[in-house]
Amino acid sequence: AQTVTQSQPEMSVQEAETVTLSCTYDTSESDYYLFWYKQPPSRQMILVIRQEAYKQQNATENRFSVNFQKAAKSFSLKISDSQLGDAAMYFCAYRSAQNTGTASKLTFGTGTRLQVTL
Amino acid sequence: AAGVIQSPRHLIKEKRETATLKCYPIPRHDTVYWYQQGPGQDPQFLISFYEKMQSDKGSIPDRFSAQQFSDYHSELNMSSLELGDSALYFCASSSPKRLESNRINNEQFFGPGTRLTVL
Repeated sequence: AQTVTQSQPEMSVQEAETVTLSCTYDTSESDYYLFWYKQPPSRQMILVIRQEAYKQQNATENRFSVNFQKAAKSFSLKISDSQLGDAAMYFCAYRSAQNTGTASKLTFGTGTRLQVTL
Repeated sequence: AAGVIQSPRHLIKEKRETATLKCYPIPRHDTVYWYQQGPGQDPQFLISFYEKMQSDKGSIPDRFSAQQFSDYHSELNMSSLELGDSALYFCASSSPKRLESNRINNEQFFGPGTRLTVL
């Protein structure tokens, strides 16, 4: 079974600064997807960024980028130029790349609460 | 663009009552997933359906059942409710999409959730 670990329950960053959220995972599979989801106070689950394990290039989406280290099973999220609207709970998630019904569920980490201060 | 619809958005029940949560996937999505997120916890996978058949089962209590109907909407039925069932219940939907790499992406899109409170 796959596990996802987020060791930072809370993080704080000043507006306009950069912050990195950590995530490690454990799997015996070689092909999978990793995600970062944002959950603001509205509790909506919003996809921030996706990484395909077979791609060596780190994914980027505007101010959000990841540092994917497959051998170390590490998947950190970097938020640049932090904004007040970035304050939320951030979940790291894993999904197998197999597309049979038994393999498509998401496994989440315990989350990191990000505070953005003025 | 149409999103996943969940109803009701809020539900309050007494212990030992039953509850039915509904999920309407994005049009042309054939797969539905249910997740439960307790207070201060991460979402936990409950059950999924593909083409109206159960495809995977997670940590879903025997008191819960679910199905996917011919129009692809899904219902989660919860009986003999307990205080510990109070949680946010998410539905997500997906449909296999072939990427330019020729790989299949089965990305899940989440609904807004149903907040269930058991008193």
